[in-house]
Amino acid sequence: TQLLEQSPQFLSIQEGENLTVYCNSSSVFSSLQWYRQEPGEGPVFLVTVVTGGEVKKLKRLTFQFGDARKDSSLHITAAQTGDTGLYLCAGGSGNTPLVFGKGTRLSVIA
Amino acid sequence: SQTIHQWPATLVQPVGSPLSLECTVEGTSNPNLYWYRQAAGRGLQLLFYSVGIGQISSEVPQNLSASRPQDRQFILSSKKLLLSDSGFYLCAWSAGTGGVFDTEAFFGQGTRLTVV
Repeated sequence: TQLLEQSPQFLSIQEGENLTVYCNSSSVFSSLQWYRQEPGEGPVFLVTVVTGGEVKKLKRLTFQFGDARKDSSLHITAAQTGDTGLYLCAGGSGNTPLVFGKGTRLSVIA
Repeated sequence: SQTIHQWPATLVQPVGSPLSLECTVEGTSNPNLYWYRQAAGRGLQLLFYSVGIGQISSEVPQNLSASRPQDRQFILSSKKLLLSDSGFYLCAWSAGTGGVFDTEAFFGQGTRLTVV
């Protein structure tokens, strides 16, 4: 069974600070996706990384896929209150449904 | 453009009552469809997925069932609800060419089910 461990589970920071959250597994994935979810809503897709070592940027968010395609990180620069939410990573293996981590709940305080 | 509709948004049901949650997708054909349950703001537990009409795969054997009577319609059901069925239920779709699953998933707004 493929599992994705996300850390930290909870993170509370001041507006303007930088942060990194992690998504780790002992399994290799063909792709890694990131989603953000706000309370009472469904997750919203952010990005997919597919190549080992790949880095993608989405405004102030930087996503990296590990060289061995077993882990990923999300770095947010100068966090804003609008970044508050639950960040979920999901691993893809092609012929089986996505495996989701339990998420990192981020709270950005003004 | 593609859209996904899921209803109702909230539901309070007594123990032992039946359940029917419906999800429809517009603007795409032959999607992969999914039902997830999410506990208290945490990760997503995959309950069922479908690659085509009448094709249902169950990930977690429990008090629920799913059906796909039409290409873009996915229904989650229960004959008798348990207290433990309470949770946030999410329907999702992804492009499903050739049984590939790791394309991005699009989620509905979710249904908050409380069994009392």
